[in-house]
Amino acid sequence: KAGVTQTPRYLIKTRGQQVTLSCSPISGHRSVSWYQQTPGQGLQFLFEYFSETQRNKGNFPGRFSGRQFSNSRSEMNVSTLELGDSALYLCASSEGQGGHNEQFFGPGTRLTVL
Amino acid sequence: SQQGEEDPQALSIQEGENATMNCSYKTSINNLQWYRQNSGRGLVHLILIRSNEREKHSGRLRVTLDTSKKSSSLLITASRAADTASYFCATAYQAGTALIFGKGTTLSVSS
Repeated sequence: KAGVTQTPRYLIKTRGQQVTLSCSPISGHRSVSWYQQTPGQGLQFLFEYFSETQRNKGNFPGRFSGRQFSNSRSEMNVSTLELGDSALYLCASSEGQGGHNEQFFGPGTRLTVL
Repeated sequence: SQQGEEDPQALSIQEGENATMNCSYKTSINNLQWYRQNSGRGLVHLILIRSNEREKHSGRLRVTLDTSKKSSSLLITASRAADTASYFCATAYQAGTALIFGKGTTLSVSS
């Protein structure tokens, strides 16, 4: 099976812009979780989607949003970008809902906000 | 916020030596997982240990779990240069909840 794919791999934006990141899970996986990774804060959980519904949500402002489509592909959107949003954004998929399942990670999208 | 905290933050060893990393967590858990990340790439799942298990092996990896102390350890035996990476523990406090990661241990294995 193909692994988790994320597009784009690299992105450069300026403050105030918005960005959409995409994640395609492993075939048959219905859960997609998103994480933000920065040197200072480490891996921070953003949200999890399962069967097109948000099931878990981390402690991020409303500028961070996501959705999941019927084919389990997921997108996350960040509006009104701030410098502090520069990070590696990782998505992970799993067969079942919830973090207690083994997670399969994509390579990440490196977002730089100037 | 982080649930787990790894110790040490960084570890440097020679090839052939064993590497031990520790993880402490705050609340009761459903299971504990260890992941590896090679420089700026995606994470790879290493091992999952359930709350009712005390020890688990996978190849050169040995994981222990002490729920009374809320701690876990990851032992990599006979380390290789290819083991150079960051290692994270992650926990979900009950089934269905989010997987929360610690800040990781950076392991450097030199030949």
